[in-house]
Amino acid sequence: GDSVTQMEGPVTLSEEAFLTINCTYTATGYPSLFWYVQYPGEGLQLLLKATKADDKGSNKGFEATYRKETTSFHLEKGSVQVSDSAVYFCALTGGSGNTGKLIFGQGTTLQVKP
Amino acid sequence: DAGVIQSPRHEVTEMGQEVTLRCKPISGHNSLFWYRQTMMRGLELLIYFNNNVPIDDSGMPEDRFSAKMPNASFSTLKIQPSEPRDSAVYFCASSPTGGREQPQHFGDGTRLSIL
Repeated sequence: GDSVTQMEGPVTLSEEAFLTINCTYTATGYPSLFWYVQYPGEGLQLLLKATKADDKGSNKGFEATYRKETTSFHLEKGSVQVSDSAVYFCALTGGSGNTGKLIFGQGTTLQVKP
Repeated sequence: DAGVIQSPRHEVTEMGQEVTLRCKPISGHNSLFWYRQTMMRGLELLIYFNNNVPIDDSGMPEDRFSAKMPNASFSTLKIQPSEPRDSAVYFCASSPTGGREQPQHFGDGTRLSIL
């Protein structure tokens, strides 16, 4: 079945450092890909999405490109802030015939230190 | 605009008791999803509804769990009887039509502790 694999955390960075969180997926068909962010005590919020190959999603300085050839959707940000500290989830829908059902990776905790 | 509203935010109860979690989706959204989050298993879909009809309940762990959506603005997830292994954060999410390209909007969750 469909699955999403993220890099293990926690990831600890200093403020203004470059961020990459790796995400790869396994799915048949043409999934849509998402990054969600979860701040402590809150629900998940959509960060960005891409719905077809080579699409780039971007929001709040974060970017991710849908790479079908490498089945990847890595999250990047050029300069992180303390306020970016959160748990980041990569997810997909629409593979293997499923429709809106979200399949999540295990989440990656990001800690940004001043 | 109001987001997805879940209640209660926290629930602590003893093993064997009935637990009811509630969700109000965003107005106009026709799809509603219930997820469970635990350290061991991460985020798992339990059930989702489209136009108030359950479409996929394959993630419901066992018969102790049941979910209803009596109308477009309200859903419940019930556990009876509850067990300590049901302790988790339960999220409700909604989307306009449940299509693969549509992001889901999440509530803040219910943190459930079964003693």
